[in-house]
Amino acid sequence: AQSVTQLGSHVSVSEGALVLLRCNYSSSVPPYLFWYVQYPNQGLQLLLKYTSAATLVKGINGFEAEFKKSETSFHLTKPSAHMSDAAEYFCAVIGNQAGTALIFGKGTTLSVSS
Amino acid sequence: NAGVMQNPRHLVRRRGQEARLRCSPMKGHSHVYWYRQLPEEGLKFMVYLQKENIIDESGMPKERFSAEFPKEGPSILRIQQVVRGDSAAYFCASSPAEVEGYGYTFGSGTRLTVV
Repeated sequence: AQSVTQLGSHVSVSEGALVLLRCNYSSSVPPYLFWYVQYPNQGLQLLLKYTSAATLVKGINGFEAEFKKSETSFHLTKPSAHMSDAAEYFCAVIGNQAGTALIFGKGTTLSVSS
Repeated sequence: NAGVMQNPRHLVRRRGQEARLRCSPMKGHSHVYWYRQLPEEGLKFMVYLQKENIIDESGMPKERFSAEFPKEGPSILRIQQVVRGDSAAYFCASSPAEVEGYGYTFGSGTRLTVV
């Protein structure tokens, strides 16, 4: 069975500061990992995904994430936060087996102050 | 190229009524997934469907909830005899056939309020 744990339900940063959102996964098979972003009253938008190619994955809006098997982590980073990054971020995992669905973490709300 | 379409965007039902939520997947996508979102709880998987088949309903409550994805038309999530605890945002997602690494495309959700 697969699961993800997002450490910290709320993260606050200043504009221009580093963004680090933490995600650890548990999977009995090689996982596919995803980060999604949700803006208020909207659906989820895919930021980036890891599918066993390069361990450092670059996504949209300047975000990137690094897959570390030894740490079972897939943390999301952005060098310089922008006000428009304020949103809720979800880490998700899926096993590479047919018939399985994405499993999401509980989410991390990112606040950006000026 | 339209994305995943969900309707209605907002739905208000009185306790005991039925709620029907509709989802039209992206063109070319044959897999549909339903999730429920409650504050502070993230997205909870409910059911995974392909055309005319339920693949995984392990997240569906045992009573009052059902889902279908007919050969023609949208996927429907039905909640019978709604209770206040059913108030939540319900999201539908779709993906192409058997491409687990693709990721899902999500709709904008239906926000159900039970009064």
